[in-house]
Amino acid sequence: DIQMTQSPSSLSASVGDKVTITCRASQGIDNYLAWYQQRPGKVPNLLIYAASTLQSGVPSRFSGSGSGTDFTLTISSLQPEDVATYYCQKYNSAPWTFGQGTKVEIK
Amino acid sequence: EVQLVESGGGLVQPGGSLRLSCAASGFTFSSYGMHWVRQAPGKGLQYISGISSNGDSTYYASSVRGRFTISRDNSKNTLYLQMGSLRGEDTAVYYCARRNSGNDYWGQGALVTVSS
Repeated sequence: DIQMTQSPSSLSASVGDKVTITCRASQGIDNYLAWYQQRPGKVPNLLIYAASTLQSGVPSRFSGSGSGTDFTLTISSLQPEDVATYYCQKYNSAPWTFGQGTKVEIK
Repeated sequence: EVQLVESGGGLVQPGGSLRLSCAASGFTFSSYGMHWVRQAPGKGLQYISGISSNGDSTYYASSVRGRFTISRDNSKNTLYLQMGSLRGEDTAVYYCARRNSGNDYWGQGALVTVSS
């Protein structure tokens, strides 16, 4: 099975900072990559699919890039409501494996 | 409005069984594959099972294969997860999720606690 590895596992940044999370697949997955946000105590929410397509209703400060094995989620200007754990997920074929998550906090 | 509502969670003894249901509404259920994803307390998301739109194709993570069975009843717009031979490490919140480009809709989750 393809493994998904995120880095860092956690980060702390100030409001207004640019934040970057990376996700690496152990084999190529084209652009079949999704990103999710899970706020504390809440259900996961799809942010981005096809590596770079923003889901409807998601703020434009979120963006995604990459293809093949290396992917990036960027928050251009961190806001207090962005405190959450972020997960990548491959969906080119079963199993639809998630990365281990990146916890984002406000400094 | 798309809604997914899980039910059937609870406390079960090790070795026991439980069936989760996920009632879908607001979309053509029979047109979408569906997934079960779980999250152990304080841990990350784990994809455990998926089923095609017509139920012909299923997938199980190795951790549940042979113990869990996914199924669906398109006439009732309902997804199921039959869980057997439950272990402590199966304790988690279980989410059903619609398969699209990613999982675009999720239920609120059902807590399953395996303990004596």
